Amino acid sequence: DARVTQTPRHKVTEMGQEVTMRCQPILGHNTVFWYRQTMMQGLELLAYFRNRAPLDDSGMPKDRFSAEMPDATLATLKIQPSEPRDSAVYFCASGLASAGPYEQYFGPGTRLTVT
Amino acid sequence: QQQVKQSPQSLIVQKGGISIINCAYENTAFDYFPWYQQFPGKGPALLIAIRPDVSEKKEGRFTISFNKSAKQFSLHIMDSQPGDSATYFCAAEALDNQAGTALIFGKGTTLSVSS
Repeated sequence: DARVTQTPRHKVTEMGQEVTMRCQPILGHNTVFWYRQTMMQGLELLAYFRNRAPLDDSGMPKDRFSAEMPDATLATLKIQPSEPRDSAVYFCASGLASAGPYEQYFGPGTRLTVT
Repeated sequence: QQQVKQSPQSLIVQKGGISIINCAYENTAFDYFPWYQQFPGKGPALLIAIRPDVSEKKEGRFTISFNKSAKQFSLHIMDSQPGDSATYFCAAEALDNQAGTALIFGKGTTLSVSS
């Protein structure tokens, strides 16, 4: 069955290193979201795209985070340089936005640990 | 004004009991209110959703109650089962905002159903 895939599932890295997380949305979905989940803050929206165009990235620290959709089958979230406070689970979600409410389908997440 | 406040943070219910989770919002432009369920190690998944033209929606053991004047909505889980033990997130979105918006999530409620 169709599902959102994310790679890697786990990443441990040292402070200052670059981290790239990848997401393959469900085929045909035109909206992609990046969320960060921590115990303290819950689910935070970092950025989202519709038809590959960025609609909102106000949730991202712009100096170190960047999100792109090189094509309709791939979304990337990059952190450079990484810091210990970036340790969290990062979720990608996709959906088909046409008219009215639509479901967001979440991937399994990337658990990032920055030491 | 963009926040969705969720309570309680955690909840312990006996098997067969009723679980109740509450959410409140400020932004009157919100017009779509879903609940997502998340099991450990998984991404959130849509459980049930409501639009403000109705005051209640029921799907099996899960019911959303919506109070537009109070700007509050709640999830009721009837006959709670150990398999319902998960984290529940309420969310809200302003679907009619032509500028493009995304779901705003509450901070989550961890439900434990004891057998």
